[in-house]
Amino acid sequence: AQSVTQPDIHITVSEGASLELRCNYSYGATPYLFWYVQSPGQGLQLLLKYFSGDTLVQGIKGFEAEFKRSQSSFNLRKPSVHWSDAAEYFCAVGYNDMRFGAGTRLTVKP
Amino acid sequence: DTGVSQNPRHKITKRGQNVTFRCDPISEHNRLYWYRQTLGQGPEFLTYFQNEAQLEKSRLLSDRFSAERPKGSFSTLEIQRTEQGDSAMYLCASSTKASSGNTIYFGEGSWLTVV
Repeated sequence: AQSVTQPDIHITVSEGASLELRCNYSYGATPYLFWYVQSPGQGLQLLLKYFSGDTLVQGIKGFEAEFKRSQSSFNLRKPSVHWSDAAEYFCAVGYNDMRFGAGTRLTVKP
Repeated sequence: DTGVSQNPRHKITKRGQNVTFRCDPISEHNRLYWYRQTLGQGPEFLTYFQNEAQLEKSRLLSDRFSAERPKGSFSTLEIQRTEQGDSAMYLCASSTKASSGNTIYFGEGSWLTVV
């Protein structure tokens, strides 16, 4: 069965520091993987996606993610966090019936 | 491109009443999805359409829930005899199959509060 685990419920980083949000998945075939961001009370915005090919994918807002098949992971990274990055981040796997993780809430300290 | 549009954005209803949400997908998208999100959780898949055909339904979609997409354009999600446990945000999304895969775009969501 498809599942997604985001081990960190809440992460706090200082503005300008680097960020890594973890995502582990379970999927029967080659997965389609996504990262979405959600601000309070809003819908989800796609940051980036992996379907095939290069395992390091670039997204919007300076985010990137690396697909590691051997570790069943798809971690999201950003080299320098901005205060506006504070939000909830969701990793998702699947195709039409996507499965989402529970999310990681990012707080950015000034 | 106006994105995925959902109405109403907020709905407060008394327990036992029926509610209906509408979703207008991105115009050229033939696939439409409904998800439910409760506080502190990720979205949960409810159902999806390809054109007017409802191709998959989650076990979460009880008999009180019905979704339609009569002309393959907009969709409605109706909840009958609402219960307090139905309080959540209902997210609509749409996509079109492309050579680079299936990217799903979400609307802003419709908040339901059952009192």
